[in-house]
Amino acid sequence: EPEVTQTPSHQVTQMGQEVILRCVPISNHLYFYWYRQILGQKVEFLVSFYNNEISEKSEIFDDQFSVERPDGSNFTLKIRSTKLEDSAMYFCASILQLRQETQYFGPGTRLLVL
Amino acid sequence: QQQVKQSPQSLIVQKGGISIINCAYENTAFDYFPWYQQFPGKGPALLIAIRPDVSEKKEGRFTISFNKSAKQFSLHIMDSQPGDSATYFCAAGPGGYQKVTFGTGTKLQVIP
Repeated sequence: EPEVTQTPSHQVTQMGQEVILRCVPISNHLYFYWYRQILGQKVEFLVSFYNNEISEKSEIFDDQFSVERPDGSNFTLKIRSTKLEDSAMYFCASILQLRQETQYFGPGTRLLVL
Repeated sequence: QQQVKQSPQSLIVQKGGISIINCAYENTAFDYFPWYQQFPGKGPALLIAIRPDVSEKKEGRFTISFNKSAKQFSLHIMDSQPGDSATYFCAAGPGGYQKVTFGTGTKLQVIP
């Protein structure tokens, strides 16, 4: 069964450094999301992306964050200058089409900012 | 308005018992109510979902009950098994491609 993949599975970085988290959504999916989950807390929406532009973003998704679909397969989340509070599990998700609601989640990237 | 409240935070059930997790929402624009199951180190996976035009939906041992007037919905896991031990999240959203808002999660442990 097709699945969403994410790399790396774990990332450790120093505060202030830039990180790029990568996702490969399911190949024919059209709509993409990033969510994050701080350890022991609920899953929080960050941003949704369709047709090469941001559809919606949360208040968490400030100027330090950006998303890109550089080559038609990868979907990336960049954090420009990481803060300690960015430490979390980051999940990518995708859906097949606009009317289909089932979001397929990747396994996540655990980001630790020191 | 966007919150989804979930209880209990943790639940221990004996094998064969019924696990019940409850959620409440505030936003009347929500039209899609999925439940996700998450195992340690994995992403959330859709378990079952309901829309408010029905009051109950059953898939195997998993049942969602929905009370639109009370703005509450619940997940019942019948004949709970140790393999059901996971964290369960309720969620709600307007439907379609739009984001879902997750509840705080319930860590279920099914003991033999």
